[in-house]
Amino acid sequence: EDQVTQSPEALRLQEGESSSLNCSYTVSGLRGLFWYRQDPGKGPEFLFTLYSAGEEKEKERLKATLTKKESFLHITAPKPEDSATYLCAVQGGSEKLVFGKGTKLTVNP
Amino acid sequence: GAGVSQSPSNKVTEKGKDVELRCDPISGHTALYWYRQSLGQGLEFLIYFQGNSAPDKSGLPSDRFSAERTGGSVSTLTIQRTQQEDSAVYLCASSLAWGVKNIQYFGAGTRLSVL
Repeated sequence: EDQVTQSPEALRLQEGESSSLNCSYTVSGLRGLFWYRQDPGKGPEFLFTLYSAGEEKEKERLKATLTKKESFLHITAPKPEDSATYLCAVQGGSEKLVFGKGTKLTVNP
Repeated sequence: GAGVSQSPSNKVTEKGKDVELRCDPISGHTALYWYRQSLGQGLEFLIYFQGNSAPDKSGLPSDRFSAERTGGSVSTLTIQRTQQEDSAVYLCASSLAWGVKNIQYFGAGTRLSVL
């Protein structure tokens, strides 16, 4: 059974304080690993997809990396508007995404 | 262009009543997915459509849950005889097709409260 574990559950940062979110996964035949951002009362917003170990993608202050067992979402010099819940999901042998429970990030000014 | 649209945004119902939740996917997207997000839980897969067919219904929690899709577009998720444990946010997503390298785009969800 495909599984995704995200850590930490919650993270508080000061504005400008860089950090990383972790996503550990077990999946039969990884077809893709996805990062989404979810704001309160809204649906998940797509950020990145990674397909093979060693792949990296960047968008503004965010950088996602992938190994054979985990993915990291690095946040460089975060701003208060980066506060959200970040969700990690994997796609294995079927079309469905299997999600972790998310990391709630709060960035204080 | 327009994203995935879900209606209603909120639904309050009494235990035992039936409810219908609607999803309008992004125009031209052939694959459609339903997920459920309960408090403290991650998103859980319910069902997936390729066109009007549902090759994977493995996530539907009981036979009180059903879904259909017509015209390769709009989908309706129906919950019969609602129970309090059905209270959750029901999210719909669509993707251009299925298979490798297809990104699922989500709607804002329907928040269902069963009293």
